[in-house]
Amino acid sequence: DGGITQSPKYLFRKEGQNVTLSCEQNLNHDAMYWYRQDPGQGLRLIYYSQIVNDFQKGDIAEGYSVSREKKESFPLTVTSAQKNPTAFYLCASNKRSSTDTQYFGPGTRLTVL
Amino acid sequence: AQSVTQLDSHVSVSEGTPVLLRCNYSSSYSPSLFWYVQHPNKGLQLLLKYTSAATLVKGINGFEAEFKKSETSFHLTKPSAHMSDAAEYFCVVSQNYGGSQGNLIFGKGTKLSVKP
Repeated sequence: DGGITQSPKYLFRKEGQNVTLSCEQNLNHDAMYWYRQDPGQGLRLIYYSQIVNDFQKGDIAEGYSVSREKKESFPLTVTSAQKNPTAFYLCASNKRSSTDTQYFGPGTRLTVL
Repeated sequence: AQSVTQLDSHVSVSEGTPVLLRCNYSSSYSPSLFWYVQHPNKGLQLLLKYTSAATLVKGINGFEAEFKKSETSFHLTKPSAHMSDAAEYFCVVSQNYGGSQGNLIFGKGTKLSVKP
């Protein structure tokens, strides 16, 4: 089955710790995206990557980092510099065209204790 | 700059009655527009998309939306609501310029409740 997987589904972190969220796709898509979702605010773009070894900041990149060493993988690290990391994180991918549908993973809910 | 406004944060309908979720957009370019649905603690699923072909777009699960350029609207409708339609719905416009190609601008969402 083709699709996007995110792991873990739920993640708990102590303050001051970095944590990495996994996103893998087997759709052979060039572009991948990370969004943050907070209640009543829709989705906001954190980082995106249109090709391997290249990525760009989105609207709310501060306190986050990414890498794109492989086409199918786009992990997101939430660093201790992120002041309010508790949220639902969604990964998506598509071909590079702006009219192509973005396909979303099931999400990771991160809670800072 | 592009933006999306969903006019209702919460819509409640009875099962079997029509659904209308309203969306207005702002775009300096020919936009691509999407509606996504999200069930609790799940990812987003595409309902339908408009990409400058037919202005009336049919999607999955009986939903459709009409692109009205003069009104800058892209409202989502369904003739008869089912209990399984209860979810949150997002209207989305695609950014089509510069280095942001493929990036999406999301509305804040409309939560649809369906009463038996």
